[in-house]
Order: sequence, then C-alpha cells, then structure tokens
Amino acid sequence: SQTIHQWPATLVQPVGSPLSLECTVEGTSNPNLYWYRQAAGRGLQLLFYSVGIGQISSEVPQNLSASRPQDRQFILSSKKLLLSDSGFYLCAWEGVSRSPLHFGNGTRLTVT
Amino acid sequence: SQQGEEDPQALSIQEGENATMNCSYKTSINNLQWYRQNSGRGLVHLILIRSNEREKHSGRLRVTLDTSKKSSSLLITASRAADTASYFCATGYLQGAQKLVFGQGTRLTINP
Repeated sequence: SQTIHQWPATLVQPVGSPLSLECTVEGTSNPNLYWYRQAAGRGLQLLFYSVGIGQISSEVPQNLSASRPQDRQFILSSKKLLLSDSGFYLCAWEGVSRSPLHFGNGTRLTVT
Repeated sequence: SQQGEEDPQALSIQEGENATMNCSYKTSINNLQWYRQNSGRGLVHLILIRSNEREKHSGRLRVTLDTSKKSSSLLITASRAADTASYFCATGYLQGAQKLVFGQGTRLTINP
C-alpha cells in the first residue's frame, strides 16, 4: 500500500535560519507531488507541485523553494526564514492525474 | 481566482442531526472534491464528483454539484461526535498536475 511520510512534525526556527522539510512517498511510482501551506484557521495555499524528477512549478512568489531529487522525494527549503513563513505545511501525492490527493500529517513551523 | 468558498464557516449541531455544507466556485471545473481535516492533521479525501455528475453518495455522505450555479453541497446524515472536523471543498482544473484549489473550510462541531 502507498504511504506518505513528512517530517519533522513540528519545528521552531529563528528568523533568518535555513529550512528543510522532507516528504517521501512509498508504494507508488512517478507520483505528482505537492506542497501546500495552511495558515491558522484557513484553507490551503498551493506552493509548489512537481510532475517528475527535477520538475518544479511554483505557484506563488515567496521566500521558499522546492526540489525533487528522487522520484518519491520532495523537499521544501528556505535559505532565510521570515516570520511570515510560519504555518502548517502539507505534502501530498497524486497517483493518476485528476485523482484524489493523499496528504501527509503535516509540519507545523513556527518562526520566532 | 478559482478558489472555492465554503458556507457556513462554522456549524454546530447535535449528534444525530444532519449537517449540510455548501461550496461555491468561480470558473469551470473538471471535478470537485471534498476533504476532511481533523485538528492538526493532514487532509483526508472524502468524495470526488466530476463535472458531468450531479449527485454522488458514499456511506452517510451525499454530495451534489450544480455547474450552472457553480456550487456544491456536502450532506452528512445522522451525524456522530467523530464527524467533528473541518471540511474543505477543492476544485480541480488541469494544467500539468491537478492543482487543486481549496476553500477556507467549514468547521463542523457535533455536540453529544
């Protein structure tokens, strides 16, 4: 069966520090991968998506970047965090185009 | 923006009652999906309805879609305390990856 792992679950980082969040998927090949951010009590904002290794599409200009070094690995990064980067970050995968998304349990990032 | 908007933002009912949540969107869609999110967790897919479908059932869930009004509704019958969660609609259009656009969600509380 397919599983998605996202870590860490929580993270507190000072302003100006770097960030690396990792997401891996098991049990499927060539998934579409997504990074979403959710502000407190709000909906999800799509940040990045990837349809293959090294292929990244950015949805909103921001302080973050994403990479897909392997088929089932998706990484969200920042060189210098801002206070506004705080939020709940969710990774998701999609097996077949236009099928439901499967989400990880998320990373709650607090930038202090 | 194609973002869906859920209504109401919050709903509190007694266990056993039916809960109805609505979603409106702005542009043509390929499909509309409903997701559930327990507090502090990732989203779980509930049901997908395609643009050429008008109604779909899954257990105690009933989803309708009216493309002429650009709206959808999610009905949960015979609610249970365990149904307490936030519910999101997401509209899907295709441009490479699916790029689901989520609404702000409805916070549903089921009182025992």
